[in-house]
Amino acid sequence: DAKTTQPPSMDCAEGRAANLPCNHSTISGNEYVYWYRQIHSQGPQYIIHGLKNNETNEMASLIITEDRKSSTLILPHATLRDTAVYYCIAKIQGAQKLVFGQGTRLTINP
Amino acid sequence: GAVVSQHPSWVICKSGTSVKIECRSLDFQATTMFWYRQFPKQSLMLMATSNEGSKATYEQGVEKDKFLINHASLTLSTLTVTSAHPEDSSFYICSAREYRGTYEQYFGPGTRLTVT
Repeated sequence: DAKTTQPPSMDCAEGRAANLPCNHSTISGNEYVYWYRQIHSQGPQYIIHGLKNNETNEMASLIITEDRKSSTLILPHATLRDTAVYYCIAKIQGAQKLVFGQGTRLTINP
Repeated sequence: GAVVSQHPSWVICKSGTSVKIECRSLDFQATTMFWYRQFPKQSLMLMATSNEGSKATYEQGVEKDKFLINHASLTLSTLTVTSAHPEDSSFYICSAREYRGTYEQYFGPGTRLTVT
C-alpha cells in the first residue's frame, strides 16, 4: 500500500468547513483513497473512499487531484462532534489489510 | 449499515490470568475479521487477520501463543490474551469485512483491557 502523509493536527471553528489534506504521491493506479475517523475511545468509523473522481456522501466530500498524488477530505459544516483523529489510507480495493498511519487530530472549536 | 460488536467493552484482570474478547458481526457474515491494538496517543496496529475456519495470520512481532485467535463461525471471532501482563494493557479493536459489491471493513467499538 502507498504511504500517506497527513498533518499531525488541525483546528477548525464550529460551523466552518474543515479541509483535511493527505499526500499519497506513490499511489498506484489501482489503489483507492479511504478515509476513516476515530473519536476518542471508540472504534474507527468509515467516512468515504474514492479512486479518481470526487466523491460526496452524507458525511463528507473527497476531492482527489487529477494526478492522484493528493486528496482533501471536506467536512462542510464542522460540529463539535467531528473532533476526532482522521486517517487517510491508500488501499487496493479488495485487499485484506487496512494499515493505519498516524492520522490528523482535528479539533473543532466552539 | 453493518454493525460489529465487541464484548466486553472494558475488562480488568490480574497479571498472569487470561482474558477473552469477543467480536461479532451482527447483521452480516464475515469470512474475515481483523484484530488491532492501540496504545494511548498512538495509531491502530494490526495484530492478526482471522479467517473463518482456518488459522489466523499474525503480523510480524505479534506472539501467536500469547494472543490466541479463534474464528469458529461467520459471525464470531475471539481474541484470548493469555498470561496477561501489565504491558498488555491496551485498547483492542476488531473489524469485520463484508462484501457489498466491494469489500468494506467495519469496526467494533473496542475493548479496554487493564492488567493489574
